[in-house]
Amino acid sequence: EAQLLESGGGLVQPGGSLRLSCAASRFTFSSYAMGWVRQAPGKGLEWVSSISLSGGGTYYADSVKGRFTISRDNSRNTLYLQMNSLRAEDTALYYCAKSAIFGVVTWCFDLWGRGTLVTVSS
Amino acid sequence: EIVLTQSPGTLSLSPGERATLSCRASQSVSNSYLAWYQQKPGQAPRLLISGASNRATGIPDRFGGSGSGTDFTLTISRLEPEDFAVYYCQQYGSSLSTFGQGTKLEIK
Repeated sequence: EAQLLESGGGLVQPGGSLRLSCAASRFTFSSYAMGWVRQAPGKGLEWVSSISLSGGGTYYADSVKGRFTISRDNSRNTLYLQMNSLRAEDTALYYCAKSAIFGVVTWCFDLWGRGTLVTVSS
Repeated sequence: EIVLTQSPGTLSLSPGERATLSCRASQSVSNSYLAWYQQKPGQAPRLLISGASNRATGIPDRFGGSGSGTDFTLTISRLEPEDFAVYYCQQYGSSLSTFGQGTKLEIK
């Protein structure tokens, strides 16, 4: 069964940095666009960023643009999210998600990880 | 940015009843690229519907999606106990995707 496993979350001070990873297994990682979606405690879902199959196209929500960088390593079946200049409002559970359509750049996600918690606090 | 507004915020119904959830977009959603997700406490979201009306793999046929342009609807024909959860719509027709704020479907 296809799976996504996030890691790298934790407690960080405001202004700090963190890098999230998402290890994909049991599907052809390089054939799917990928993305990150976050959920603040007790709140709704917020799309954060997405990346095309090859990694040549990257897209960001206005709330994180200029601070977060999405990337992927298709040889390692891994997705990344580098988060810099973190703020209290970035505190959330960060989900890694897989595009629902093979070979197409779409942000409709049919496979989600369990999430990794990022807490920004002094 | 396309803003999605879901209504109602909370829907109280009994098992066996029909549920109708609404999602309205601030501008037309390109190609009806509108998805619906279900999320239960402590779980990741699950894709129910893509392209406004296409059920995802393994989703029961009591779940149905409809709509186009700016108005979309998720209908659950006969509620089962496991259907009580939070439902989100998402537009992915632009390069910047957005989610609605969610509708909580609770047992009456």
